[in-house]
Amino acid sequence: QKEVEQDPGPLSVPEGAIVSLNCTYSNSAFQYFMWYRQYSRKGPELLMYTYSSGNKEDGRFTAQVDKSSKYISLFIRDSQPSDSATYLCAMSPFGSNTGNQFYFGTGTSLTVIP
Amino acid sequence: GAGVSQSPRYKVAKRGQDVALRCDPISGHVSLFWYQQALGQGPEFLTYFQNEAQLDKSGLPSDRFFAERPEGSVSTLKIQRTQQEDSAVYLCASSLTTQYFGPGTRLLVL
Repeated sequence: QKEVEQDPGPLSVPEGAIVSLNCTYSNSAFQYFMWYRQYSRKGPELLMYTYSSGNKEDGRFTAQVDKSSKYISLFIRDSQPSDSATYLCAMSPFGSNTGNQFYFGTGTSLTVIP
Repeated sequence: GAGVSQSPRYKVAKRGQDVALRCDPISGHVSLFWYQQALGQGPEFLTYFQNEAQLDKSGLPSDRFFAERPEGSVSTLKIQRTQQEDSAVYLCASSLTTQYFGPGTRLLVL
């Protein structure tokens, strides 16, 4: 069993829809949770970075962490065609300035249809 | 400021060839990570540097893989005697509190 599970999709939604992306994990030591967006043939781009449980909002993006359920989510409101990409969740026991590697999900491929 | 850069962006190698992949991290970032990303998968950790010290190389898949960062800035990932299963995107990330990724080097071994 992988430490981080993520439904690879693909997920296809109409423009303007609310998108929900999710990951589950098994390691209760994870405290740092990240969402990355990866366009085709590009490197992952950091979207959201949260510590421990709770919600964090940034523009159209909201990240939620539920440590009791070992479940994290990313919501995208008013989705746009430019949001079409692969979304990767990542997590770590400590911040990466301590050298802890990030554990990634497989990524969910999202297409927003105009 | 400039982000993480990697070169070459694409590399085609014949099986058995040696390759060297370069990473230029963000200036001032002491931490540097290498990941391998297979098609349709998330990045998998290879190795970690803090300045010039390689503190974790537990993810390197075999002794054909070698990484260095001699002056604590630019890093090179070397793969000796490449095999077809080495075909993947190799990502470099540098970090202060979280990791910022370069565009990756796409390696194809024929």
